[in-house]
Amino acid sequence: QKEVEQDPGPLSVPEGAIVSLNCTYSNSAFQYFMWYRQYSRKGPELLMYTYSSGNKEDGRFTAQVDKSSKYISLFIRDSQPSDSATYLCAMTNSGGYNKLIFGAGTRLAVHP
Amino acid sequence: DGGITQSPKYLFRKEGQNVTLSCEQNLNHDAMYWYRQDPGQGLRLIYYSQIVNDFQKGDIAEGYSVSREKKESFPLTVTSAQKNPTAFYLCASSPGGMNTEAFFGQGTRLTVV
Repeated sequence: QKEVEQDPGPLSVPEGAIVSLNCTYSNSAFQYFMWYRQYSRKGPELLMYTYSSGNKEDGRFTAQVDKSSKYISLFIRDSQPSDSATYLCAMTNSGGYNKLIFGAGTRLAVHP
Repeated sequence: DGGITQSPKYLFRKEGQNVTLSCEQNLNHDAMYWYRQDPGQGLRLIYYSQIVNDFQKGDIAEGYSVSREKKESFPLTVTSAQKNPTAFYLCASSPGGMNTEAFFGQGTRLTVV
């Protein structure tokens, strides 16, 4: 079993839809959670960074962490064609050695 | 303009040759990382370095080598011992300590011909 599981998709939605992307994990020691957006043939871009449980909102993006269920989510409101990309979740359990464990990524396509 | 610069963007290598991928950052970050990305497998850690002159193997270090002589630079050498080197290579850096936010370069696509 992988430490971090993420549905690879692809996920196809119409413009304006609310998108929900999710990851589950098995290591209860994870405390720092990140979401990255990666366009084709580009490096990942950090979208959201959260510590422990709770919600964090930034514009159209909301990140949720439920440590009791070992489940994290990224919501995208009013999705745009420019949101079409692969979304990677990542997490780590220590501030001393920052080894990020990545999910495989979910491919999202937002069509006009 | 702060960031992480990887070069070259595309690299072709003949079998049996060593190649070196460059990674430079001007973010004053202590920690630097090399990841390999293959389709459907996410990112896998090759090597990481938390401070100058120190580095540690990641999950798939065999066939790779690194150095960290300067804070700004963390080059990766793909040796002929790496059996399947064709991949997308990503360099990242983070401030270190309790700050785990990692930022990535734009990647180098290596192809063995």
